[in-house]
Amino acid sequence: AQSVAQPEDQVNVAEGNPLTVKCTYSVSGNPYLFWYVQYPNRGLQFLLKYITGDNLVKGSYGFEAEFNKSQTSFHLKKPSALVSDSALYFCAVRGPFSGGYNKLIFGAGTRLAVHP
Amino acid sequence: ETGVTQSPTHLIKTRGQQVTLRCSSQSGHNTVSWYQQALGQGPQFIFQYYREEENGRGNFPPRFSGLQFPNYSSELNVNALELDDSALYLCASSLAGGRSDTEAFFGQGTRLTVV
Repeated sequence: AQSVAQPEDQVNVAEGNPLTVKCTYSVSGNPYLFWYVQYPNRGLQFLLKYITGDNLVKGSYGFEAEFNKSQTSFHLKKPSALVSDSALYFCAVRGPFSGGYNKLIFGAGTRLAVHP
Repeated sequence: ETGVTQSPTHLIKTRGQQVTLRCSSQSGHNTVSWYQQALGQGPQFIFQYYREEENGRGNFPPRFSGLQFPNYSSELNVNALELDDSALYLCASSLAGGRSDTEAFFGQGTRLTVV
């Protein structure tokens, strides 16, 4: 079965330090991978995606993610964290898996807390 | 902000009642998906509509139903509400076209509380 794992419930980092939010996936075939961010009482905002090509993907707000096929990982990174980056981050994988339609399968989310 | 809007933003219903949630998709998008996000969890896929037809469904009972209209807006209907239906309901729109499918853009969600 297809799944996404975010092994850390929360990541704490000091402002200005680099941050990494981890994601691993299990899916047959070539995955389409996404990162979304959710601020309190808001919907999900798209950050970046990997479809094919370069393993390092750059996205919004200075975020980037590295696709590693051998480790089935898609970790989110940022060189220098901001307090305003504090939010809930979701990794997701998209099909089609069966039935010919696309759906997103999300991880449980990782809360990022950036301290001044 | 995305061009996806949902209404209402919050509502409170009593167990056993019925509820309708609405979503206006982003201009140019032809596919709408609905997700349920329970507190502390990631969103779970409910179903997807493409050109007014349901073309995929997650592990949700038949009392969860939907519609997509010619302008690609959509409704989610839930009958016989249960306490466990309390959640944030998210609508996502995208443009489907085989391998060129776009990423999904989400609305701000509807917070449903069942008491």
